Amino acid sequence: TQLLEQSPQFLSIQEGENLTVYCNSSSVFSSLQWYRQEPGEGPVLLVTVVTGGEVKKLKRLTFQFGDARKDSSLHITAAQPGDTGLYLCAGGMKTSYDKVIFGPGTSLSVIP
Amino acid sequence: EAGVAQSPRYKIIEKRQSVAFWCNPISGHATLYWYQQILGQGPKLLIQFQNNGVVDDSQLPKDRFSAERLKGVDSTLKIQPAKLEDSAVYLCASSSARPLHFGNGTRLTVT
Repeated sequence: TQLLEQSPQFLSIQEGENLTVYCNSSSVFSSLQWYRQEPGEGPVLLVTVVTGGEVKKLKRLTFQFGDARKDSSLHITAAQPGDTGLYLCAGGMKTSYDKVIFGPGTSLSVIP
Repeated sequence: EAGVAQSPRYKIIEKRQSVAFWCNPISGHATLYWYQQILGQGPKLLIQFQNNGVVDDSQLPKDRFSAERLKGVDSTLKIQPAKLEDSAVYLCASSSARPLHFGNGTRLTVT
């Protein structure tokens, strides 16, 4: 059974602070995606990483895929209230079809 | 491009009643997913279609849930009869390869 774990589950920080969210699994993924979900809306893709060791930057967000393609991290620099939301990692598995499983999410609250 | 459309946005029913949700994916997307998201948790895949065929329904409670995708376009998900634990947001997503594009979901409350 493929399982994705995320930590921390909840995070409440002051505006301007830095934070890191982790996504871990015992399974190897062909790709890993990060989504952000705001209340009342569906998840929206932030980034996809596909190569072990890959690092991608999106403004103040830095994403890294582990060398073994089993884990990933999301680092936010100088968090802003607009970063508030549920951050979900999702692992892609190449089977006979395109399978995507989601982690439980990290709920981030950035206080002004 | 138009996004994934879902309706209704909210539904309140009593336990043992039936309910149906509708999803219209992005035009041209062959893959359609139904996820269940319980408050505070990540989405859990219920069923995945490739065109109009089912490729994964391993976590669909088949004694009460059913889904169909006619002509490989829009899809309906039905629950009959509903239980209290079915209270959740039901998300539809579509893709052409990755990533997934989600609708805004249907929030179901079973009382």
